[in-house]
Parts: sequence; C-alpha cells; structure tokens
Amino acid sequence: DAKTTQPNSMESNEEEPVHLPCNHSTISGTDYIHWYRQLPSQGPEYVIHGLTSNVNNRMASLAIAEDRKSSTLILHRATLRDAAVYYCILRGIYNTDKLIFGTGTRLQVFP
Amino acid sequence: NAGVTQTPKFRVLKTGQSMTLLCAQDMNHEYMYWYRQDPGMGLRLIHYSVGEGTTAKGEVPDGYNVSRLKKQNFLLGLESAAPSQTSVYFCASSWAGEGVDEQYFGPGTRLTVT
Repeated sequence: DAKTTQPNSMESNEEEPVHLPCNHSTISGTDYIHWYRQLPSQGPEYVIHGLTSNVNNRMASLAIAEDRKSSTLILHRATLRDAAVYYCILRGIYNTDKLIFGTGTRLQVFP
Repeated sequence: NAGVTQTPKFRVLKTGQSMTLLCAQDMNHEYMYWYRQDPGMGLRLIHYSVGEGTTAKGEVPDGYNVSRLKKQNFLLGLESAAPSQTSVYFCASSWAGEGVDEQYFGPGTRLTVT
C-alpha cells in the first residue's frame, strides 16, 4: 500500500476553516483516498473518501490535486468537537483487508 | 441500531492469564476486523474475517486467536497474556473489503497486562 505523509499537528480557532493536507506521491491509479478521524478516547470514524474528483459531504470536503499526489481535507467551520486526530489513508479498490493508519494529524481547536 | 459494540470496556490481566474480547455488530456486515492501538500510534490490524466461519491474519497476529462462528460476532482471544499486549483494542466492520467501503468502529477495549 502506498504511504501518506501528514503534519503531526495543526491548530485552528473555532468557526474558522481548516485545511488538513496529505501527501501521497506514490498513489496508484486504483487507490482511493480515505479520511478517518479519531476523537479522544473513541474509535475512528469515517469522514470522507474520493478517487479523482473533489467530494463534499455533511462533515467535510475533500480536494484532490489534479495529479492525485496530494489531497486536502477541508472543515468549513471548525467546532470544538472537531478536535481529533485525522488520518489520511490510501486504499486500493480491490483491497480486502486492512486500513493502514499512520500517526495522523492532531487538530486542536481553540474557542 | 447499536452499530459496533465491544465487551468489556476495560480489563486488567496478569501475565499468563487468558481472556476473550467480544465484538458484535447489528448492521449485517460481512467483514469484521480487530485492530490494536498503542500510545501515540495509529491502529494496526491483528486479524480479520471476510464472512461467517472465516478468519485471516493481519499485520500483527502473533499471540492472538480469533473466531467468527456467527456473522454478527467476532471474538479475539489472548491465550497467555503478555505485557506487550497492553493496548487499546478496536473492532470494526464493513459491508465488504473493497476500497470504497467504509469501516465502522467500536468504542474500544482498554487492556492492561501486568
């Protein structure tokens, strides 16, 4: 599985937009880009995924670079509840087992 | 609809003791997974199952056994616990194992082996 690189930590103020970057320069054509987040003392939860086009859902937006070597998770208005570790994960379309979690980006949100 | 539940939430074992962690899901998912998470680390896959009666090894299977006798349950066993197995254990499930598939996680079991 291809590797992803994320900053260790980021900070934001409440109600401001947050852009969480992820580099995946060795991504293959059949790899989907997934984002999960883990709130303190909880299991991870799915946020969003995409292949080539930008994606939006009720939680966030995913912007994918044209060459697919990087992507950005966008939280449009951060809340205190968004403080979590965010994981960017590549998953092949025919992958039948694990999600490979790196160490993720710890997002702190200040009131 | 409870999603994915795990039993117990906390457990302390002495070295050499055995225990079983239970994972249950009510979403009729085919795939189930056991992960462990050590402090400051991401999750690592221990074992997984692609359907009732099947199991397969993940990244860190040594010291663990699993069983999937019923579709909704996935059991993780530690036959002889070691301090290195002190960790938080997460169970997850999904419809299938394909790249687009979302995994649903349980709340975790915090295990300490002394």
